[in-house]
Amino acid sequence: GEDVEQSLFLSVREGDSSVINCTYTDSSSTYLYWYKQEPGAGLQLLTYIFSNMDMKQDQRLTVLLNKKDKHLSLRIADTQTGDSAIYFCAESPVNSGYSTLTFGKGTMLLVSP
Amino acid sequence: DAMVIQNPRYQVTQFGKPVTLSCSQTLNHNVMYWYQQKSSQAPKLLFHYYDKDFNNEADTPDNFQSRRPNTSFCFLDIRSPGLGDAAMYLCATSLQGDGYTFGSGTRLTVV
Repeated sequence: GEDVEQSLFLSVREGDSSVINCTYTDSSSTYLYWYKQEPGAGLQLLTYIFSNMDMKQDQRLTVLLNKKDKHLSLRIADTQTGDSAIYFCAESPVNSGYSTLTFGKGTMLLVSP
Repeated sequence: DAMVIQNPRYQVTQFGKPVTLSCSQTLNHNVMYWYQQKSSQAPKLLFHYYDKDFNNEADTPDNFQSRRPNTSFCFLDIRSPGLGDAAMYLCATSLQGDGYTFGSGTRLTVV
């Protein structure tokens, strides 16, 4: 089955870049997602990438994928205090029908002024 | 805006008293999911409906049931809540496994 691993905690200063890392094990074609969860709230989809892509950029967010190592990273440029939250990596294998999301344990990002 | 709505945001129930959480969607997605998220943990899939077909995860306790009376609504029933069932319950939808959209969640407290 699928397994998704993340580092648990990251602390950065406001204005710096943040890089959150994730590894996954599924060997099939898969979608890889980054979700943000603020305290007491649901999950907000930030961005996603298909496993045949190397990179995706969306404003301050850059996703890099190393397919050989099955390593995914989320870079947040010019990190702000409002970016403090838990970030979940998730994968969803592409099957002939449909599939479900498998989440990592989440990385808590703390941004200090 | 098309969205996934969960009611209530906060639910307090007594130990052993049945409780129902609700989820509705205006996206017309055919798949609806229920996830349980305990404090500082990843969301864990309990079950999902693909159209009317119910799919239970192997390790979901029998205490948890679900109903989907139509495309738009899905309910999570906890027959006899225990203290260990206190968690955030997240509803999500997708179209054939694409376009996952989550609701804001219902935080359940068991007293």
